[in-house]
Amino acid sequence: KQEVTQIPAALSVPEGENLVLNCSFTDSAIYNLQWFRQDPGKGLTSLLLIQSSQREQTSGRLNASLDKSSGRSTLYIAASQPGDSATYLCAVVRGSQGNLIFGKGTKLSVKP
Amino acid sequence: GAGVSQSPSNKVTEKGKDVELRCDPISGHTALYWYRQSLGQGLEFLIYFQGNSAPDKSGLPSDRFSAERTGGSVSTLTIQRTQQEDSAVYLCASRYGGAGTDTQYFGPGTRLTVL
Repeated sequence: KQEVTQIPAALSVPEGENLVLNCSFTDSAIYNLQWFRQDPGKGLTSLLLIQSSQREQTSGRLNASLDKSSGRSTLYIAASQPGDSATYLCAVVRGSQGNLIFGKGTKLSVKP
Repeated sequence: GAGVSQSPSNKVTEKGKDVELRCDPISGHTALYWYRQSLGQGLEFLIYFQGNSAPDKSGLPSDRFSAERTGGSVSTLTIQRTQQEDSAVYLCASRYGGAGTDTQYFGPGTRLTVL
């Protein structure tokens, strides 16, 4: 059974810091890994999708890496801003149907 | 363009009553998913629709839960005889392309509270 774990559960940093969020998964047979952002009371917004054949993806200040063999992914946020405060969720797609298996998230707070 | 919409945004019901939750996916998206987000369990997959194929119901927690998708578009999730443990946020998502290459677009969710 695929399990996804995110560490830390919560993180508080001052504005301007670079930070790393961690995600691990138990079964390396995945189609892709995705990072989402969730703001309070809202749905999920897709940030980055890394296909199983890829090693990383970048979007603006965000960079996500994938190491399938070790079952790990990291999300790197450069020069953090208060607007980055949200819960970040990691999820893997294991089967062809595409249903996501989520970690429990990292709640990020960026202090001005 | 319009995103995934869900209604109602909030629903309060009494234990034992039936509820219906609605999802309007993005136009043209053939894949539709329902997930549940609860405090103790995080986000869990419930059911998946793809075109006219039979749905994958493997995530439904009990036979009190059912869902349908009419005309390949709008979907309704029905919970019969609601229990307090059904209280959660129910999220709908849709996808256009392949499962390996395309992301899912989520609606804002329906917050269900069972008293």
